Amino acid sequence: SQQGEEDPQALSIQEGENATMNCSYKTSINNLQWYRQNSGRGLVHLILIRSNEREKHSGRLRVTLDTSKKSSSLLITASRAADTASYFCATDGDSGYALNFGKGTSLLVTP
Amino acid sequence: NAGVTQTPKFQVLKTGQSMTLQCAQDMNHNSMYWYRQDPGMGLRLIYYSASEGTTDKGEVPNGYNVSRLNKREFSLRLESAAPSQTSVYFCATLDRRFYGYTFGSGTRLTVV
Repeated sequence: SQQGEEDPQALSIQEGENATMNCSYKTSINNLQWYRQNSGRGLVHLILIRSNEREKHSGRLRVTLDTSKKSSSLLITASRAADTASYFCATDGDSGYALNFGKGTSLLVTP
Repeated sequence: NAGVTQTPKFQVLKTGQSMTLQCAQDMNHNSMYWYRQDPGMGLRLIYYSASEGTTDKGEVPNGYNVSRLNKREFSLRLESAAPSQTSVYFCATLDRRFYGYTFGSGTRLTVV
């Protein structure tokens, strides 16, 4: 079942601005991941944060996790037009290491 | 360095026809997955194979069957296609070193 829910559904910003996307989930997790999907392509893994971590950085990406609120945020700093894509959060499922994906946030970065 | 290869990339079927979507990986990963992606629905798990020789149902298995032919290949079969199966299908593998998925580029299927 789909556990993650991203917010907002769509986000439009200008190059150079920061983009923040949020994800809420329902049950306890071992880790939470973020993926990017460019139009017409497969998803690409961006970053994973474990349940005992509160913040993680990777290049221009910053992910936070608040397990008490069952929520996570993805911050992309100094956005570029190439960051235009859909972003999905995913939480680990019950078995088989299967991931549950949210419906995604569509990010548009205009020059 | 192909990663995850899905074939075909596009397919149009008539209602009632059957077909098999192929997925092959060259990363020596144990776990493989089939998802479908529909507008506004995100990705939903159809079937998965935690390791060679095992398969399990996901969230939306009805109308599909799978075969884990060997460690490299995991196929998805539609026995009698229905318009509701019009979707984009993604195969993925799991790298247990960092628990991240590697996705194929997808198969866009239209059932008319």
